[in-house]
Amino acid sequence: SQTIHQWPATLVQPVGSPLSLECTVEGTSNPNLYWYRQAAGRGLQLLFYSVGIGQISSEVPQNLSASRPQDRQFILSSKKLLLSDSGFYLCAWSVVGTQYFGPGTRLLVL
Amino acid sequence: AQSVTQLGSHVSVSEGALVLLRCNYSSSVPPYLFWYVQYPNQGLQLLLKYTSAATLVKGINGFEAEFKKSETSFHLTKPSAHMSDAAEYFCAVSVAGGGADGLTFGKGTHLIIQP
Repeated sequence: SQTIHQWPATLVQPVGSPLSLECTVEGTSNPNLYWYRQAAGRGLQLLFYSVGIGQISSEVPQNLSASRPQDRQFILSSKKLLLSDSGFYLCAWSVVGTQYFGPGTRLLVL
Repeated sequence: AQSVTQLGSHVSVSEGALVLLRCNYSSSVPPYLFWYVQYPNQGLQLLLKYTSAATLVKGINGFEAEFKKSETSFHLTKPSAHMSDAAEYFCAVSVAGGGADGLTFGKGTHLIIQP
């Protein structure tokens, strides 16, 4: 069966520091991968999606970036965090249209 | 482009009562529709999905939803609420076939179960 991992589970970072969140999927090949952000009271916002290694599409302009160095690995990064980057970050994967979500990373920028 | 509207950011029901969470969608092409549940500090768990087969879809934990094209609705119901149903529920839409460009989510409905 397929499983999706995210780490770290919780992160507290100062403004201006770098960020790296990792997501890995097991038990499937060539999945579509997604990064969402969930801010309090604002639902989920799609940040990036990827249909293959090195292929990244960005949905919203921001100071975040994503990379997919391996088929089942998806990384969310920032060079300098802003206060507004705080939120709950969710990774998801899909193969035939249905998306399955990871446990999420809660990021607090102070 | 598609969109989702969930009516009521908070819904409160008594334990044992009917649960009804409303979702209306807008899509220019045949949609795929989903309901997800999120417990505190956890990811989203798929409850059920509509993919153009039967209009009444049964999911996990006793939930079901009915696709009504004429009303552009996909409301979630459960005959008898349980305390463990307290959570955030999200309705989502994608173009038929899923697509690679992600789901469009509603803003969520927080379900409160009164003892």
